[in-house]
Amino acid sequence: KNQVEQSPQSLIILEGKNCTLQCNYTVSPFSNLRWYKQDTGRGPVSLTIMTFSENTKSNGRYTATLDADTKQSSLHITASQLSDSASYICVVSAQGYSTLTFGKGTMLLVSP
Amino acid sequence: KAGVTQTPRYLIKTRGQQVTLSCSPISGHRSVSWYQQTPGQGLQFLFEYFSETQRNKGNFPGRFSGRQFSNSRSEMNVSTLELGDSALYLCASSLRDGGNIQYFGAGTRLSVL
Repeated sequence: KNQVEQSPQSLIILEGKNCTLQCNYTVSPFSNLRWYKQDTGRGPVSLTIMTFSENTKSNGRYTATLDADTKQSSLHITASQLSDSASYICVVSAQGYSTLTFGKGTMLLVSP
Repeated sequence: KAGVTQTPRYLIKTRGQQVTLSCSPISGHRSVSWYQQTPGQGLQFLFEYFSETQRNKGNFPGRFSGRQFSNSRSEMNVSTLELGDSALYLCASSLRDGGNIQYFGAGTRLSVL
């Protein structure tokens, strides 16, 4: 069964600090992995999308890594800002299928 | 370019009623997917439409149905509402089905009393 597990469930950090969110998946055969940011009351917004051959991808202060061998991904946030407070969702797509498998998200709170 | 538009934003219904939600995709996008989001289950896939055809369907009962029109706009219908149907319903559009990036609307918050 295709599954995506995210950790931690929630995280509180001080403004200006860095943090790393984890995503483990069992989706097979793998096609791509996406990280989304979802602000409260809003729809998710895509941060990065990575295919099998990509190890790392950055979007401003967000850097995602992918290890296709261990089926793990991480999202690193540098110099956090209050606006980074949101839920971060890891989504994995399987080859040949149109549906996506969603993690339950990590709720990040950046405290002043 | 306008984003994905979902209407209405908020809806309150009572058990047993039915509801229709609307989604207008980004201009030029032909794939529309629907998701249900609840605090306990996270995002769950409902169904996907591409060129007016349902391409994939999630594990939801037949009370949940949808359709897509020739202009790619999509509607989702839930009949005989239950308390457990209270959720944020999100619509996402993409150029094609499959591995394209999906762009989400702000969602419709449905409360069933």
